Amino acid sequence: EAGVVQSPRYKIIEKKQPVAFWCNPISGHNTLYWYRQNLGQGPELLIRYENEEAVDDSQLPKDRFSAERLKGVDSTLKIQPAELGDSAVYLCASSLESGGAWETQYFGPGTRLLVL
Amino acid sequence: AQSVTQLGSHVSVSEGALVLLRCNYSSSVPPYLFWYVQYPNQGLQLLLKYTTGATLVKGINGFEAEFKKSETSFHLTKPSAHMSDAAEYFCAVSGNQGGKLIFGQGTELSVKP
Repeated sequence: EAGVVQSPRYKIIEKKQPVAFWCNPISGHNTLYWYRQNLGQGPELLIRYENEEAVDDSQLPKDRFSAERLKGVDSTLKIQPAELGDSAVYLCASSLESGGAWETQYFGPGTRLLVL
Repeated sequence: AQSVTQLGSHVSVSEGALVLLRCNYSSSVPPYLFWYVQYPNQGLQLLLKYTTGATLVKGINGFEAEFKKSETSFHLTKPSAHMSDAAEYFCAVSGNQGGKLIFGQGTELSVKP
């Protein structure tokens, strides 16, 4: 079974430029998460989707970040414009059912973003 | 609100020695607790989790953890460390906000030959 796929794996951009990350969850997983992991810290949730619906986006900086999950499968996270403080690893995860607190989340390898 | 504290950002053990990684949590609701491992340039992999029932949870690669409600702890142990255990370990809690995992800051485990 294929795991969570993310691309690109690495991205270097200059500040004020736009950037987008793509995630394809495990087949059949209804819930998709985007996390941001700053250097030396644990991941922090940005947004959670159940199928196509964003059910928790309270931590997403909406002035510059946007996300979509069309057709309830793969998802794109965008930053426009990027700032120096956005340098981090962006992790995508998925879980099988409705995003219950007990469910195992399966993580992709992440996209490492460096903003210069 | 929920939170996780991992005591010790870096732990070093000798190969064959006991591994003990400490995790304390705070939660206003019955918690679900997780340990994840992260190898360099990889995503997080679940080691084990506590949901309900038996408080001693066994996971992959010989790891186990015990949920102690009275101490609000969920420490991770392994009787004998192997070189391949060198990685970053994260403790996480959920329960208050659906599937939102709250992670600790991580503990880097080094294993000396």
